[in-house]
Amino acid sequence: DAGVTQSPTHLIKTRGQQVTLRCSPKSGHDTVSWYQQALGQGPQFIFQYYEEEERQRGNFPDRFSGHQFPNYSSELNVNALLLGDSALYLCASSLGQRRGYTFGSGTRLTVV
Amino acid sequence: KQEVTQIPAALSVPEGENLVLNCSFTDSAIYNLQWFRQDPGKGLTSLLLIQSSQREQTSGRLNASLDKSSGRSTLYIAASQPGDSATYLCAVTPGSGYALNFGKGTSLLVTP
Repeated sequence: DAGVTQSPTHLIKTRGQQVTLRCSPKSGHDTVSWYQQALGQGPQFIFQYYEEEERQRGNFPDRFSGHQFPNYSSELNVNALLLGDSALYLCASSLGQRRGYTFGSGTRLTVV
Repeated sequence: KQEVTQIPAALSVPEGENLVLNCSFTDSAIYNLQWFRQDPGKGLTSLLLIQSSQREQTSGRLNASLDKSSGRSTLYIAASQPGDSATYLCAVTPGSGYALNFGKGTSLLVTP
């Protein structure tokens, strides 16, 4: 039973560039949420996708956008990268919007 | 705004000790509470999920309790082992909305 799969695992980008992170939810799950985790901090909610629509958004600028595909997989896009965007980006899936979440291993993004 | 606090921030114990990690939250109108484990640089592993109507959940050497009215949860780890060394995160799902609100975690080191 495959868990949540995220790609790539590590990424280095230059300030001002754009990046796309990908997530495949756990089999049977239909909801995907994205979180940003800075070093030494708890994860911060970016947004949640359900039925291919953004259902809730955290306190992140419009440079952060996403998409959910018919197969429930999801992408997180970040434009105009800033040094402060360097973090571990976590994808979480669930069956329904408020059930227990299963997290992936994350994508470590470094902006230089 | 829901605030989640975890005490202590760090804990070092000898192998075999029983220990308690604490989590408090400011808004008692929660849907559920989840405890996670995070190894350095890795994703989150779900340990226990407690629904708002429940008082506790157990899995192996782990027991989590929830006192919603006082805004507190504890994670009890029995007979600690060096393999338990990790950061433990507490997260609440609010009564309305879907975003998990995380504490900053407790960093646990179990020494042989």
